[in-house]
Amino acid sequence: DTGVSQNPRHKITKRGQNVTFRCDPISEHNRLYWYRQTLGQGPEFLTYFQNEAQLEKSRLLSDRFSAERPKGSFSTLEIQRTEQGDSAMYLCASSLADNTGELFFGEGSRLTVL
Amino acid sequence: AQSVAQPEDQVNVAEGNPLTVKCTYSVSGNPYLFWYVQYPNRGLQFLLKYITGDNLVKGSYGFEAEFNKSQTSFHLKKPSALVSDSALYFCAVRDLYSGAGSYQLTFGKGTKLSVIP
Repeated sequence: DTGVSQNPRHKITKRGQNVTFRCDPISEHNRLYWYRQTLGQGPEFLTYFQNEAQLEKSRLLSDRFSAERPKGSFSTLEIQRTEQGDSAMYLCASSLADNTGELFFGEGSRLTVL
Repeated sequence: AQSVAQPEDQVNVAEGNPLTVKCTYSVSGNPYLFWYVQYPNRGLQFLLKYITGDNLVKGSYGFEAEFNKSQTSFHLKKPSALVSDSALYFCAVRDLYSGAGSYQLTFGKGTKLSVIP
């Protein structure tokens, strides 16, 4: 399968713990995006990378959230000191370096904070 | 700031009938507009997009959408609905006025489409 891959698919953690999600984009895509989706809502933009450079960050991305894409391939999203409000589906998407915005999404990583 | 509204949480349509899922948008400049579909336990899938040119755009699975600048709408349509079209549909917009560095899409809340056999 050559689509966008996300791991783990589901993470249950206790409040205050740190969690990390991994995203492997489609190999020829140099743009990578993180979105968050809560029940009954559409995806909300979190951050965007072009190669290894993080070019945009949403105000939703508090200082407890950090994302990296060290070699311009896979990316990680870490949430420190998790809160119950962090419970959501975290979506990763990738795209080609064109200007048309067609994104290819992974199946998401669901976070449940108890 | 850019925004998208999908006024219907749910749309029910009989199989074989035409369907419409509504979307309106607000941007400062010219919009790029998209429809995505989400099947249960599957990732979001791209359906179609409007960038420029013909106001009627055709996409995957027989879907089409009409861009109406005066009404700031981008409604999704299909002439004959299938039971397999039942899914969650999201409209999204990117505002070109945000500048060359902004690639974020703003999504609507989604509309659940149920096609009844």
